[in-house]
Amino acid sequence: GENVEQHPSTLSVQEGDSAVIKCTYSDSASNYFPWYKQELGKRPQLIIDIRSNVGEKKDQRIAVTLNKTAKHFSLHITETQPEDSAVYFCAASRRGETSGSRLTFGEGTQLTVNP
Amino acid sequence: DGGITQSPKYLFRKEGQNVTLSCEQNLNHDAMYWYRQDPGQGLRLIYYSQIVNDFQKGDIAEGYSVSREKKESFPLTVTSAQKNPTAFYLCASSIMGGGVGEQFFGPGTRLTVL
Repeated sequence: GENVEQHPSTLSVQEGDSAVIKCTYSDSASNYFPWYKQELGKRPQLIIDIRSNVGEKKDQRIAVTLNKTAKHFSLHITETQPEDSAVYFCAASRRGETSGSRLTFGEGTQLTVNP
Repeated sequence: DGGITQSPKYLFRKEGQNVTLSCEQNLNHDAMYWYRQDPGQGLRLIYYSQIVNDFQKGDIAEGYSVSREKKESFPLTVTSAQKNPTAFYLCASSIMGGGVGEQFFGPGTRLTVL
């Protein structure tokens, strides 16, 4: 089955700096890669996702890049703010027309943005 | 107000007891999922269901059971066979097929074994 590894497990940056979180996956058939943000005690919420037919996607200060050959994808947050502090999870799945999105999650990265 | 709800928010169980966690959604989603989250760890899939009256084991199904009698509901029972049930349990739902892939999560139930 799919295995997703996420690094680093903790990341501390100064406000205004950029943050990068990296994930690798094992199943070359995986084609959907979401990123979730989870604040303490809250539910995970989708912040951005990418499908295997594109290499990069951007939404304001957040971007995700995908390298299918190397089987890794990364989350980039620019101009970090204290409210970006949370745990970030990457995930991977193989979505088809008749299947739901069974996700395999990485173990998470605790991002702390220091004012 | 559309969404996915879980109850209770906190649940305490004595050893040897079965407990059932509720998950309801009014998003008209076909697929529903149960995850377990331990401190400092990612989400691990317990069970998932893609259609009413059908469900599949995830990666850590031992000691858990589910049912899917209605599209809107996917309750999880933590049985006495689950040796270390203290954790945060998250339910999620999504549409089927090749459309939007997002899974929507409920607020979670924190289960503690006394």
